[in-house]
Amino acid sequence: AQTVTQSQPEMSVQEAETVTLSCTYDTSESDYYLFWYKQPPSRQMILVIRQEAYKQQNATENRFSVNFQKAAKSFSLKISDSQLGDAAMYFCAYRRRTGTASKLTFGTGTRLQVTL
Amino acid sequence: KAGVTQTPRYLIKTRGQQVTLSCSPISGHRSVSWYQQTPGQGLQFLFEYFSETQRNKGNFPGRFSGRQFSNSRSEMNVSTLELGDSALYLCASSSGTENSPLHFGNGTRLTVT
Repeated sequence: AQTVTQSQPEMSVQEAETVTLSCTYDTSESDYYLFWYKQPPSRQMILVIRQEAYKQQNATENRFSVNFQKAAKSFSLKISDSQLGDAAMYFCAYRRRTGTASKLTFGTGTRLQVTL
Repeated sequence: KAGVTQTPRYLIKTRGQQVTLSCSPISGHRSVSWYQQTPGQGLQFLFEYFSETQRNKGNFPGRFSGRQFSNSRSEMNVSTLELGDSALYLCASSSGTENSPLHFGNGTRLTVT
């Protein structure tokens, strides 16, 4: 079974600074997807960024980028130029490439605080 | 385009009762999946429906069931409620293809007393 581990329950960053959230996972599959989701107080899970395991290039979406280390099974999220609106719970998630597209395995989450 | 709509937003039930939660997916989406979120267990996959058929199921007891209608709207039912069923229930929709992203609703907060 696949597992996803987020070892940082809480992180804090000052506005305009950079922060990195950690995620490790365990799988015997060679092809899969990894995701970072954001959950603000509104409760809606919002997709931040997605990485396909067969792609060596790290994904980037505006101020959000990942450091994907397949051999180490590590998938960290870097948020640059942090904004107050980035404050939320962040979840790392894994999904097999084959099979159902909807079955995600989530980590326990990291609560990110953004301070002035 | 309207997003995923879940109703109701909040629900309070008593142990032993049953409850039905509703999810309306994004127009054109044929897949609806359900997740349970609790402080202790985190986010766990319940099941997925695609074109009115259950396509995948998580490790939950038979008290948890669902269905999908021809318009892709989905309902989730929990019978004989237990205190441990108190959770945020999230619904997500997608086109159902392998590469399609999930779009989540705002969830239904169920409290069992």
